[in-house]
Amino acid sequence: DIQMTQSPSTLSASVGDRVTITCRASQSISSWLAWSQQKPGKAPKLLIYKASSLESGVPSRFSGSGSGTEFTLTISSLQPDDFATYYCQQYNSYSRTFGQGTKVEIK
Amino acid sequence: EVQLVESGGGLVQPGGSLRLSCAASGFTFSSYAMSWVRQAPGKGLEWVSTISTSGGSTYYADSVKGRFTISRDNSKNTLYLQMNSLRAEDTAVYYCAKNRDTAMVSPLDYWGQGTLVTVSS
Repeated sequence: DIQMTQSPSTLSASVGDRVTITCRASQSISSWLAWSQQKPGKAPKLLIYKASSLESGVPSRFSGSGSGTEFTLTISSLQPDDFATYYCQQYNSYSRTFGQGTKVEIK
Repeated sequence: EVQLVESGGGLVQPGGSLRLSCAASGFTFSSYAMSWVRQAPGKGLEWVSTISTSGGSTYYADSVKGRFTISRDNSKNTLYLQMNSLRAEDTAVYYCAKNRDTAMVSPLDYWGQGTLVTVSS
């Protein structure tokens, strides 16, 4: 199975900060990677797919990059609504796997 | 508007069974593969199972293989998860989710609100 490792696990930041989250795959997944945002008690929301494609309706301050085994999610200017947990998800194979999550907290 | 509504969760004893349902609307259900993903209390997301559009192909996480069965009824726009031989470690919120694209290899875009399964004596 493909393992996904996210870092950091927790991130403290202020409104307006540039934030970067990293996700590493245990083997190459080409660009078959998505990023989702989850708020407490809510279902995840898709932000980015195919490593760098922005899902419709998602603010342009969110961006994704990478291919192969290393990927990043960047929030260019953190907004109050962005404090949440972020998960990467590989869908290279039918047995998709998620990273362990990165919680973005208010500094 | 895409809607996915799960039901069927609850408290069950270890070794027991439960059947979850997910009623879909707002899209052509029969055109999309569907998945179940779970989240244990305070933990991350874990993929459980995926089913193809026709139901002819199914895939399971090793942790549930042989105990859980995913199925779908395209005439009723409903996804199911039959869970047998339940264990304490199966305690989680179970979400149903749809593929973003009609291809099998696709991220999950819409998720239901989840249904809580608690396995405890």
